[in-house]
Amino acid sequence: DVKVTQSSRYLVKRTGEKVFLECVQDMDHENMFWYRQDPGLGLRLIYFSYDVKMKEKGDIPEGYSVSREKKERFSLILESASTNQTSMYLCASSPGGADTQYFGPGTRLTVL
Amino acid sequence: QQQVKQSPQSLIVQKGGISIINCAYENTAFDYFPWYQQFPGKGPALLIAIRPDVSEKKEGRFTISFNKSAKQFSLHIMDSQPGDSATYFCAPGGSGNTPLVFGKGTRLSVIA
Repeated sequence: DVKVTQSSRYLVKRTGEKVFLECVQDMDHENMFWYRQDPGLGLRLIYFSYDVKMKEKGDIPEGYSVSREKKERFSLILESASTNQTSMYLCASSPGGADTQYFGPGTRLTVL
Repeated sequence: QQQVKQSPQSLIVQKGGISIINCAYENTAFDYFPWYQQFPGKGPALLIAIRPDVSEKKEGRFTISFNKSAKQFSLHIMDSQPGDSATYFCAPGGSGNTPLVFGKGTRLSVIA
C-alpha cells in the first residue's frame, strides 16, 4: 500500500513565524503535490514537483515556497505565516502528473 | 479560471436511493476522469476512474458515466448507504506532468 505521511496532524503557529510542513511518500513516486482545503473552495493546488529539485507553481503559490531535495520528501514552507493561511494542508504523490494521486491525512494549521 | 464545475454542492439522499453527482469540464485534452471520496479527518482517496475509450464503468455500487461530446462525467451511487456519507471530488486530468484539476466537491449525506 502506498503511504503518504505528513509530519503533524495539528499545528498552531503565531503570525510571522516560519512554518515547515513535511511530507514523505514510500512508493518512489515521481510527482508530489501540496494543496490547501478550505470549506466551499475544494482543493487548491499550491505547488507541485515532478522531479527532485524541480518545482512548479500551482493555482495559489503566493506566500508559500517548497523544497524537494530527495525524491521521497516534499516540504511546504510558509516564510511568514499569516492568519489567512489557516487551513487544512494536504500532501499527495503520484507516479505521473495525471495519474492517481495518493493523499496524506492532512495537517490542520491554525495561525493566531 | 474554472476548468471544472461540479454539482450539486451538497446532496441528501435516503438510504437505498441513488446519488448522482455531475462534473463538467472545459479542457478537451483531459483523458483521465477520476472521482475521489473523502471522509472527515482523512485525505481524499480514489474511488473510481474512467478513461475516454469507454462510456461507462461500474465497480460494485459505484458507476461512472462519461459523455465526451458534452464534456461531462458523472458518479452514480446505487443503493446509497449511510457509510457513503462523505465529500466527493471529480478531478479530471491530461497527459504528461499536468496535475489533476479538482472540482469544489459535493457533500453527500445519506440518511436512514
